[in-house]
Formats: sequence, structure tokens, C-alpha cells
Amino acid sequence: EPEVTQTPSHQVTQMGQEVILRCVPISNHLYFYWYRQILGQKVEFLVSFYNNEISEKSEIFDDQFSVERPDGSNFTLKIRSTKLEDSAMYFCASSDMDFRGNTIYFGEGSWLTVV
Amino acid sequence: GNSVTQMEGPVTLSEEAFLTINCTYTATGYPSLFWYVQYPGEGLQLLLKATKADDKGSNKGFEATYRKETTSFHLEKGSVQVSDSAVYFCALSPNQGGKLIFGQGTELSVKP
Repeated sequence: EPEVTQTPSHQVTQMGQEVILRCVPISNHLYFYWYRQILGQKVEFLVSFYNNEISEKSEIFDDQFSVERPDGSNFTLKIRSTKLEDSAMYFCASSDMDFRGNTIYFGEGSWLTVV
Repeated sequence: GNSVTQMEGPVTLSEEAFLTINCTYTATGYPSLFWYVQYPGEGLQLLLKATKADDKGSNKGFEATYRKETTSFHLEKGSVQVSDSAVYFCALSPNQGGKLIFGQGTELSVKP
């Protein structure tokens, strides 16, 4: 079964450093997402991306965050200057259509620890 | 606004027990409803979904019915197994599609 893959699975970084989390969505999918889950809290939507632009973003997704699809396969989340509160599991997801009831497929997550 | 509330965990059951995990939602319009499962060390996997009122989603012995009148989507399974131990997330997608809004997750632990 096709799957969303994410790298790295775990990254430790110092506060203030830039981090790039990478994702390879399912190959025929057109919609891409990032979610995050702070330990013990809800899974939260960060951003959705379609046709090479952001289609929706949450209030969490401030100027420190950016997303990019640099080639035909990768989808990246960059955090420009990490803060302690950015420590979380980050999930990449993709779907083939953006209509009611579509299935969104998630990767296994990248666990980011900011120290 | 849109939100999802799940019963708090952890829920601990013996093998073959009946499972109910309650989920209620608040939404404008007619959202689609989902249950996702996260097994230890793994990502989120879709368990089942329902896209309109009175629809029943089912998979792997789990089922949930979209109840508009009670704004609920409770997850049930008649006989749980140790392998069902995981965290279960109820979620909704507003009728515009795309974004998922999750509940806080309910941890299920099934003992032999």
C-alpha cells in the first residue's frame, strides 16, 4: 500500500536553529498537509498546500514556519528559528482530492525536540 | 466554530470486552466524521469514516454511526483484542473538505 514517508524520525536541535522536516507524499496525491501534536495534546492542523501554494493555514503557522515543494516528490516544513514550544511530533499528510469525506493519509511523524 | 470532544482515557479493558469510546462534535454545516488510530510507534491511520447523517462506518470489527441529532460519532467494538491497544482519535472535516479537526485522543489498553 502506498504510504507517506517522513524524515527524520527524530531530531534534536538547539533553540534558535533552523529545522527542515521532509516528507514524500503519496505519488498521485495533490493536497499536502502538516499537523503537529505536542506531547499529551491534540493533533493540530498547521497548513494545507495545493497547486504550489498554501491553501489554508492555522494561527500556529506564523512567520517562523514555511512550506515548500522543491521538486515533484518532496514536501518540506521549515521552522526558521526554533523555540522550546516547537517541540512536538510533526505529521505530514496527503490526499488525492479536497472534497467532503476524502481520506487523508498520514506519515509516521517526525519528533522534534528543541533544547 | 468546529470542535471535537472525546471521552478521556486511558481506557483499560480485558480481552473480549465490549468497547465504546464516546465522541461528540460541534460544527457548522454538515461535516464528515472520522476515527483515526495510532498504534505505538506508528503514525495516524484511518480506521473508518462517515460522510453524512445516519451513515455507519466500519472496519476491523469497529463501527461508528453518524448521529446528527446528538452530534455524536461513538466508536464501538464488540470484542476487543490485545492488538487493539492504541490511541484512538475522533476527527471531523468541515464540509469544505481538507482540514481535519481532532479530538484529544483516547488511549485504549487491552489486557489478556
